[in-house]
Amino acid sequence: AQTVTQSQPEMSVQEAETVTLSCTYDTSESDYYLFWYKQPPSRQMILVIRQEAYKQQNATENRFSVNFQKAAKSFSLKISDSQLGDAAMYFCAYRSGVLKTGNQFYFGTGTSLTVIP
Amino acid sequence: EAGVTQFPSHSVIEKGQTVTLRCDPISGHDNLYWYRRVMGKEIKFLLHFVKESKQDESGMPNNRFLAERTGGTYSTLKVQPAELEDSGVYFCASSQEGNRYEQFFGPGTRLTVL
Repeated sequence: AQTVTQSQPEMSVQEAETVTLSCTYDTSESDYYLFWYKQPPSRQMILVIRQEAYKQQNATENRFSVNFQKAAKSFSLKISDSQLGDAAMYFCAYRSGVLKTGNQFYFGTGTSLTVIP
Repeated sequence: EAGVTQFPSHSVIEKGQTVTLRCDPISGHDNLYWYRRVMGKEIKFLLHFVKESKQDESGMPNNRFLAERTGGTYSTLKVQPAELEDSGVYFCASSQEGNRYEQFFGPGTRLTVL
């Protein structure tokens, strides 16, 4: 079974600084997708960024970028120029690329990010 | 476009009572998922509907949980009778058919069983 591990329950960052959230996963599959979701307090979980395993290039979305190390099964999220609105719980997630059987997401335990003004 | 909505946002019940959670997916999304996060743990898959049919219910913890999806639209998740360990946040998500890239999540229902 696939597992996702987030080893940092809590992180904090000064406003305008950079922070990296860690995520590792375990799978025997070669085709899969990785995601970072963000859940602000009492609000919906929204997709921050996704990475297709077959792509070597790391995904980037504005201030958010990932460091995808396929061999090491590592998928960290870097937030640059942190803003107060980045404060949230961040979940790393895995989804199989086998569409027929891999519809569910596997999540980590989450990292609570605090942004200090 | 309205997002995934869930009702209620919070529910506090006593052990042995029944609770029904509701999820309204994004209009046109055939896939509907239920997940649960117990305090401090990972978000875990419960089940997956395609339209009104249960595609995968391998994550349902036991027969005290019953999920339905009437007419392929909204879904309900009933817990009867509730136990202390059922406390947590229940998330619903939906996606379009064939969409590998994203599941759209609701804000969750926080269930507390006393």
